[in-house]
Amino acid sequence: ELKVEQNPLFLSMQEGKNYTIYCNYSTTSDRLYWYRQDPGKSLESLFVLLSNGAVKQEGRLMASLDTKARLSTLHITAAVHDLSATYFCAVDNPSQGNLIFGKGTKLSVKP
Amino acid sequence: EAEVAQSPRYKITEKSQAVAFWCDPISGHATLYWYRQILGQGPELLVQFQDESVVDDSQLPKDRFSAERLKGVDSTLKIQPAELGDSAMYLCASSLELAGGVNEQFFGPGTRLTVL
Repeated sequence: ELKVEQNPLFLSMQEGKNYTIYCNYSTTSDRLYWYRQDPGKSLESLFVLLSNGAVKQEGRLMASLDTKARLSTLHITAAVHDLSATYFCAVDNPSQGNLIFGKGTKLSVKP
Repeated sequence: EAEVAQSPRYKITEKSQAVAFWCDPISGHATLYWYRQILGQGPELLVQFQDESVVDDSQLPKDRFSAERLKGVDSTLKIQPAELGDSAMYLCASSLELAGGVNEQFFGPGTRLTVL
């Protein structure tokens, strides 16, 4: 069975702190996607990681991929309130073209 | 900037009624997906189209759900009859396969369905 597991599922942070969200997956995919979803809104693409060792950064968010460990991380640096949202990782379904999503990590950044 | 369009944004219906959702993908995107997202969960695929052909509908409850993409552009997802458990966000996404098989999907705003 294809699985994508994120942890933690809920994360409450103080502004200015750092934290990491983990995404483990069971497929042999070399590609991993991170999305952000605000309450009641759709999914916004954040990062596409294409190969082992890939690292991408945008503002206070940095994503990395280790295909050998089947692990991706999303690191948050000096969190601000605007980062409060739910973050999803997803991988390609190797037999079809759809994405398999994790359950999401709901991030709440408090002053 | 090109976007995936969906309508309606919100739909409230009574159980046993019929509902339909519409999606217009980004121009030129051959692949279109319908996902269902239950509150607190990640999206799950219902049906995938490549142009006008269904590629995967293995998770589509075919006794009550149907989907079509007749001209290979926009798509309609129908539920008849709606059940209480169908209350969810229905997301449409489209993608353009890039070099190396990269499958970045772009999502529409979704239709929030509430079945009473």
